[in-house]
Amino acid sequence: RKEVEQDPGPFNVPEGATVAFNCTYSNSASQSFFWYRQDCRKEPKLLMSVYSSGNEDGRFTAQLNRASQYISLLIRDSKLSDSATYLCVVNPSNTGKLIFGQGTTLQVKP
Amino acid sequence: NAGVTQTPKFQVLKTGQSMTLQCAQDMNHNSMYWYRQDPGMGLRLIYYSASEGTTDKGEVPNGYNVSRLNKREFSLRLESAAPSQTSVYFCASSGQFSGRGGNEQFFGPGTRLTVL
Repeated sequence: RKEVEQDPGPFNVPEGATVAFNCTYSNSASQSFFWYRQDCRKEPKLLMSVYSSGNEDGRFTAQLNRASQYISLLIRDSKLSDSATYLCVVNPSNTGKLIFGQGTTLQVKP
Repeated sequence: NAGVTQTPKFQVLKTGQSMTLQCAQDMNHNSMYWYRQDPGMGLRLIYYSASEGTTDKGEVPNGYNVSRLNKREFSLRLESAAPSQTSVYFCASSGQFSGRGGNEQFFGPGTRLTVL
């Protein structure tokens, strides 16, 4: 079993739609969690950290469920510019050795 | 600030050739990392350096060596390239770890390497 698993998609949605991605992780002792965004042929960039209490940044909401060992990312009112691959990232050991999921691809259509 | 820079952007090697990928950061970060990204595999950690003077193996270190030349620079060397090392290589850096267990990692633009 992979340490971090994501549905690769692609998720094809119309502009204005709400879309949600889930990610599961295997190490119950994992300390911190992130969502990164990666545009085609570009480097990954931090989208948001994921806190136990959940957190929101504009149209983006991230949630953590430690009991079920999954994190989620909700995007409301999708824009064309949201088209990208979203990487679920877990820090299992309070070090910098992050574990990346393979990514979920989102395509927002006009 | 340039952030994290990598050279070269593209490289084609023949099997058995050697090369060094260069990475530098100007954010005064302690920690630096080398990843490879293959289709369907996500990013996998090759080596990392928690601070100047230290290096440690990641998930896929075989066939690679690293040097943390100083706080700014962290190079990755392929001594004898193999077709299995065809990949996109990303360098990243991060500041001191926070109480939440890890600060944001900033990535360079990547090196696209093909080994024939």
